[in-house]
Amino acid sequence: DVKVTQSSRYLVKRTGEKVFLECVQDMDHENMFWYRQDPGLGLRLIYFSYDVKMKEKGDIPEGYSVSREKKERFSLILESASTNQTSMYLCASRRTGTDTQYFGPGTRLTVL
Amino acid sequence: KNQVEQSPQSLIILEGKNCTLQCNYTVSPFSNLRWYKQDTGRGPVSLTIMTFSENTKSNGRYTATLDADTKQSSLHITASQLSDSASYICVVTYNTNAGKSTFGDGTTLTVKP
Repeated sequence: DVKVTQSSRYLVKRTGEKVFLECVQDMDHENMFWYRQDPGLGLRLIYFSYDVKMKEKGDIPEGYSVSREKKERFSLILESASTNQTSMYLCASRRTGTDTQYFGPGTRLTVL
Repeated sequence: KNQVEQSPQSLIILEGKNCTLQCNYTVSPFSNLRWYKQDTGRGPVSLTIMTFSENTKSNGRYTATLDADTKQSSLHITASQLSDSASYICVVTYNTNAGKSTFGDGTTLTVKP
């Protein structure tokens, strides 16, 4: 079974702090994704990566950056957290040539 | 603008009953449509996937239908169980290679004993 893990289930940070959300997958998938999930808005793609050191902006990249130094790890960075970044963050991975994305359990981030 | 709309927003049914969830989309071009189940506090898990040429797909007690002409899909759950209580999300992919999909907001299903 594919396993996608996220470093924290719950996180509370203060406005202006730098926040790192880590995601690791164990199935050698080339593609990895970061989404945020908000009531009434569904899941929205922040960034995705199709290979090591490669990244593409999703639909809502503003205020976020990402890092993919190793194939199994995809990090989401909030350089200066703001209250409107309070959300559920979901990481996913997918093997190239297939359609199925496998999601992690999510990190619920609260920015005070 | 690509959109996926799901109805109802929430639904409560008794254990053993059937139910149908709806998904309407305006996503173009169309690559595939997938239904996910998301348990509370967990990430979504794929239930079914359908391409343009498929109009029905089953996974146990879950049956999804697709009408590509009217751009509608439904998820039918038969003989519901307490463990079916979850959010069901409809997702339409328009660019598989780029990982581009539009997600619906989900229908929250509660199954009561």
